[in-house]
Amino acid sequence: RKEVEQDPGPFNVPEGATVAFNCTYSNSASQSFFWYRQDCRKEPKLLMSVYSSGNEDGRFTAQLNRASQYISLLIRDSKLSDSATYLCVVNILTGGGNKLTFGTGTQLKVEL
Amino acid sequence: NAGVTQTPKFRVLKTGQSMTLLCAQDMNHEYMYWYRQDPGMGLRLIHYSVGEGTTAKGEVPDGYNVSRLKKQNFLLGLESAAPSQTSVYFCASTHRQGVNQPQHFGDGTRLSIL
Repeated sequence: RKEVEQDPGPFNVPEGATVAFNCTYSNSASQSFFWYRQDCRKEPKLLMSVYSSGNEDGRFTAQLNRASQYISLLIRDSKLSDSATYLCVVNILTGGGNKLTFGTGTQLKVEL
Repeated sequence: NAGVTQTPKFRVLKTGQSMTLLCAQDMNHEYMYWYRQDPGMGLRLIHYSVGEGTTAKGEVPDGYNVSRLKKQNFLLGLESAAPSQTSVYFCASTHRQGVNQPQHFGDGTRLSIL
């Protein structure tokens, strides 16, 4: 079983739609969680951190369920510019520093 | 503020050749990381460093060496390149140990081994 699992997609949605991505992680010692965005042939960029109480940043809402080891990202009112791959990332703090484990990503295509 | 800079951006090597990838950050970050990204695999950690003069192995260290002689630079070396090392390589850095510290990435090096 992969440490971080995501549906690879692609998710093809019309502009203005609401889309949700899910992610599960296997290591219960994971301490922090992120969603990164990666455009084609570009570097990953932090989209938002994910907190236990759930958090929102504009059209983006992230939620975490530690008991189920499940993370979600909701995008409302999708824009063409939201087309990208979304990476679910979990962090374990060790004596060697932050150890990020990346999911393989979910591809989103927003269409006219 | 350049952030994390990787050189070169692209490189084609023949099997058996050696090369060094350079990562430089100007954010005074203590921690630096080298990843590779392959289709369907996600990013995998090769080596990392928690400070000047220290390095450690990640998930896929074989065939690579690293050095951190200066705090701002983290070098990734391929002593004898193999086709299996064809990949996109990303360097990242973060300020200090902390649960919610995200990593800042360079824009990648695309390496092809023939």
